[in-house]
Amino acid sequence: NAGVTQTPKFRVLKTGQSMTLLCAQDMNHEYMYWYRQDPGMGLRLIHYSVGEGTTAKGEVPDGYNVSRLKKQNFLLGLESAAPSQTSVYFCASSYPFREQFFGPGTRLTVL
Amino acid sequence: KQEVTQIPAALSVPEGENLVLNCSFTDSAIYNLQWFRQDPGKGLTSLLLIQSSQREQTSGRLNASLDKSSGRSTLYIAASQPGDSATYLCAVSLISSGSARQLTFGSGTQLTVLP
Repeated sequence: NAGVTQTPKFRVLKTGQSMTLLCAQDMNHEYMYWYRQDPGMGLRLIHYSVGEGTTAKGEVPDGYNVSRLKKQNFLLGLESAAPSQTSVYFCASSYPFREQFFGPGTRLTVL
Repeated sequence: KQEVTQIPAALSVPEGENLVLNCSFTDSAIYNLQWFRQDPGKGLTSLLLIQSSQREQTSGRLNASLDKSSGRSTLYIAASQPGDSATYLCAVSLISSGSARQLTFGSGTQLTVLP
């Protein structure tokens, strides 16, 4: 089992560019999550999904969109990147009401 | 709004020492509490999950306790080793957070175990 994988590992964008981060899990988990981690702010939830075809907003959803077309994949999109979105992005997955398992992260820099 | 605090922010101990990491939360209506470790530049590794109905959980040299009424959890590490050096994060999910049981994280305690 690969667990939770994230693509890419690193990315540098210019302000205004768009990109999609891919999360994949092979544990057949229903729930998937996107977090961002910033110094002094801890981890904060961006969006989450409780099943294929469903998504919901977390604590800091502005500037991001998500899609869950397949149970094993959860995509995070930035339509017009801003320097404030420079961060490390983590994806996680879980069974309902169980522990969350995290991916290795994507380090994004927006210039 | 749930707030999660971890004190101290950093801790340095000699190898072999037993130690306790602290986590406090403001809203006691939690569903569960989870402890993670994070190595530099890496993702989070789940260590222990305590359901709200439980008082403690153990895994190897790790023991986590939960006192909902006082809004506190501790992570006890026995016979610490240099390989235990990492940042330890606690996170709670509220009953009111809905079906996804979203996690609210503390800022972590950076542990260094000196050889």
